[in-house]
Amino acid sequence: EAQVTQNPRYLITVTGKKLTVTCSQNMNHEYMSWYRQDPGLGLRQIYYSMNVEVTDKGDVPEGYKVSRKEKRNFPLILESPSPNQTSLYFCASRRGPNNSPLHFGNGTRLTVT
Amino acid sequence: GNSVTQMEGPVTLSEEAFLTINCTYTATGYPSLFWYVQYPGEGLQLLLKATKADDKGSNKGFEATYRKETTSFHLEKGSVQVSDSAVYFCALHVNQGGKLIFGQGTELSVKP
Repeated sequence: EAQVTQNPRYLITVTGKKLTVTCSQNMNHEYMSWYRQDPGLGLRQIYYSMNVEVTDKGDVPEGYKVSRKEKRNFPLILESPSPNQTSLYFCASRRGPNNSPLHFGNGTRLTVT
Repeated sequence: GNSVTQMEGPVTLSEEAFLTINCTYTATGYPSLFWYVQYPGEGLQLLLKATKADDKGSNKGFEATYRKETTSFHLEKGSVQVSDSAVYFCALHVNQGGKLIFGQGTELSVKP
């Protein structure tokens, strides 16, 4: 089954404790992206990647890092989480940078206390 | 800049009622337009899309027409069901970096 898999689904952590949210897709997609969803703000792009070893900032990259060492994986790293990063995070992928549909994971709800 | 504005929710309807969720956009060039749906506890799924002016996207009884003159892409359904309860996002695609820009989402609740 074609899918985007994120882990974990839920995560509660404390300020300053480094964490990684994993994302993997099995569709051989070149393009991958991370979004955060906040009430009243919709989805905002954090980082995206056009292909292996190619990453770029989205609209809200501060406090986040990503890497794309393999085509299927695109982890999101929070080196020193803060409470304002409490949010619902989605990983997504598509075939290329064109207008083909994005495929989303089921989300990771992160709480930083 | 590029942006999407949706009507605020939540929208509460009775089963079999007519649905309209308004979406307007500002964009440079000729964007593609999308509606995504998010069911509770899940990620977003593509509902329908339109890639050029006057195109009509349709799926599962939902429709939306790309209106360049009014910069709109309103979502409609003639008769909603309880199973349509979800959050609906309007989005536009811009060519730079393959970015998808989302509206803030509209929550729809359909009562039996």
